[in-house]
Amino acid sequence: ETGVTQTPRHLVMGMTNKKSLKCEQHLGHNAMYWYKQSAKKPLELMFVYSLEERVENNSVPSRFSPECPNSSHLFLHLHTLQPEDSALYLCASSPGTSGRGETQYFGPGTRLLVL
Amino acid sequence: AQSVAQPEDQVNVAEGNPLTVKCTYSVSGNPYLFWYVQYPNRGLQFLLKYITGDNLVKGSYGFEAEFNKSQTSFHLKKPSALVSDSALYFCAVRDPGTASKLTFGTGTRLQVTL
Repeated sequence: ETGVTQTPRHLVMGMTNKKSLKCEQHLGHNAMYWYKQSAKKPLELMFVYSLEERVENNSVPSRFSPECPNSSHLFLHLHTLQPEDSALYLCASSPGTSGRGETQYFGPGTRLLVL
Repeated sequence: AQSVAQPEDQVNVAEGNPLTVKCTYSVSGNPYLFWYVQYPNRGLQFLLKYITGDNLVKGSYGFEAEFNKSQTSFHLKKPSALVSDSALYFCAVRDPGTASKLTFGTGTRLQVTL
């Protein structure tokens, strides 16, 4: 698990706050992902970056804003969130996005609570 | 569109007994299949994957999974369960035609008791 780190591990924020989630991968991978995990629902893919370029954006509300300054770091900027956005946010990385059966490796997640 | 079904929300097994966690999938082509495990307050850990070749795939911690194309299944198995195997297990599928998208099931909670 130390290959992908996420900070903070826990975050409580009000609906008017602005905060950022950080992800760092130490695996030399070229692709990074943000997922949302809510109770009793499948993981929802939010964003995919390949070589710092966003390649997928799954109809995520604009109150979530990703940033990938380099292939090792990924941020998720949050503003004016809603209580239903409370969830575990998982970051993952993989060698690339177009290879055969590339494995995604996950970080420990940030548990977000929006009040 | 690709999809994954994990029909059991929870599986209960006694320690030492064999365990099976079920997964069925739907894709348009030949699938890439994955199993992940999630322990409390942790991220998902990769267990094993099927890409091609032998239908029986061996992974971490003594787990294995069998790819069955005719039944579109990829059940996770272990010959002898441990209490420490208690966790949430996710099956995932990737259609080779979709470069980046992994589709996950809803997860199955495995409870192993003494």
